[in-house]
Amino acid sequence: AQSVTQLDSQVPVFEEAPVELRCNYSSSVSVYLFWYVQYPNQGLQLLLKYLSGSTLVESINGFEAEFNKSQTSFHLRKPSVHISDTAEYFCAVSVSWGSNYKLTFGKGTLLTVNP
Amino acid sequence: DAGITQSPRHKVTETGTPVTLRCHQTENHRYMYWYRQDPGHGLRLIHYSYGVKDTDKGEVSDGYSVSRSKTEDFLLTLESATSSQTSVYFCAISESGQGYNEQFFGPGTRLTVL
Repeated sequence: AQSVTQLDSQVPVFEEAPVELRCNYSSSVSVYLFWYVQYPNQGLQLLLKYLSGSTLVESINGFEAEFNKSQTSFHLRKPSVHISDTAEYFCAVSVSWGSNYKLTFGKGTLLTVNP
Repeated sequence: DAGITQSPRHKVTETGTPVTLRCHQTENHRYMYWYRQDPGHGLRLIHYSYGVKDTDKGEVSDGYSVSRSKTEDFLLTLESATSSQTSVYFCAISESGQGYNEQFFGPGTRLTVL
């Protein structure tokens, strides 16, 4: 079965430091990969996605993720974080489910940015 | 923001009582989903709908039923609530069921079953 592993449940960092949130998936077929962000007491918002093409994808707020097929990874990075980046981040993979697709989520990584 | 509302936003109920959660969208998206979010589990799919009166089970559907009589509304019912159903419930929508489609999430409903 398709699964997603987020290797860190919590990542504390200081403001302006770089951060990497790790995600590995298991799949032997083509995949669609997503990172969602959940700010406190809110729903999830799409941060970025990989569908095909360039293996490096970027978001509008400075995050980027690189699809690595050989390592089955889709790690999320940001070179300099802000206090406002404090949130929970979910990696997800789209898998076939009957005649449709469903999202399988990792357990989440809580990023806490300290001043 | 996608036009998705959930009601109620918070609910406390007792074991054995029926509970219905409502998801309403103004985007005219065909697909709608119900997830539950629990600490250490991420989000898990309960049921989804691919059109009016067309629904199917997700990975944690036991104890839940759904209905969709209109494109814009997707109801989740707990026929007899149990403490294990204490969770945060999220509704999501997407244009199609294709794997490349983004899902848009509602604000969530926090349900506590005593």
